Amino acid sequence: DAMVIQNPRYQVTQFGKPVTLSCSQTLNHNVMYWYQQKSSQAPKLLFHYYDKDFNNEADTPDNFQSRRPNTSFCFLDIRSPGLGDAAMYLCATGRKDEPEQFFGPGTRLTVL
Amino acid sequence: GQNIDQPTEMTATEGAIVQINCTYQTSGFNGLFWYQQHAGEAPTFLSYNVLDGLEEKGRFSSFLSRSKGYSYLLLKELQMKDSASYLCAVTKSTLGRLYFGRGTQLTVWP
Repeated sequence: DAMVIQNPRYQVTQFGKPVTLSCSQTLNHNVMYWYQQKSSQAPKLLFHYYDKDFNNEADTPDNFQSRRPNTSFCFLDIRSPGLGDAAMYLCATGRKDEPEQFFGPGTRLTVL
Repeated sequence: GQNIDQPTEMTATEGAIVQINCTYQTSGFNGLFWYQQHAGEAPTFLSYNVLDGLEEKGRFSSFLSRSKGYSYLLLKELQMKDSASYLCAVTKSTLGRLYFGRGTQLTVWP
């Protein structure tokens, strides 16, 4: 089945230790999104790629970076995680000019 | 800026009908989504409204009034498995960037 896959589902890292979260998709969608969702809060868009064009949200901290080496994969890099970065990170995909987004299962990040 | 409001919590009993409201004030509007999110899981798509009116899909219906900046999600014949958070989200363009409300946590009691 076509789907959005996120690995790992649970990630534990130490304060300040770089961490990378992975998202892959078999839907061949040209848009990929990364959202951060803290406990009991709404998902917040961090950035998105339209094909290889990177679009950063104005309030996304510099600590968060992203890479999209090909259509299928997108990575979220947190260079120096702080305690406040503990959250669920959701990857979603979509097609340009189509509004629906398809979400992966998320990666829950714990920062010790 | 974007302001999307929905109640924090609602409760209902099995078999009942519940209406979850969402109001929005956004700089631009293309359409409104409703997503269901069970604890610890990803949001799943329920409905998408672009035009005014009611869209019915099985036990779930969604209504939109663009002039009033208002939507609701109607859930009929509630089941225990409907206990979840329901997220209202606005998209401002066809590129699909979503601006979410904080979600309404619905608890269904037997």
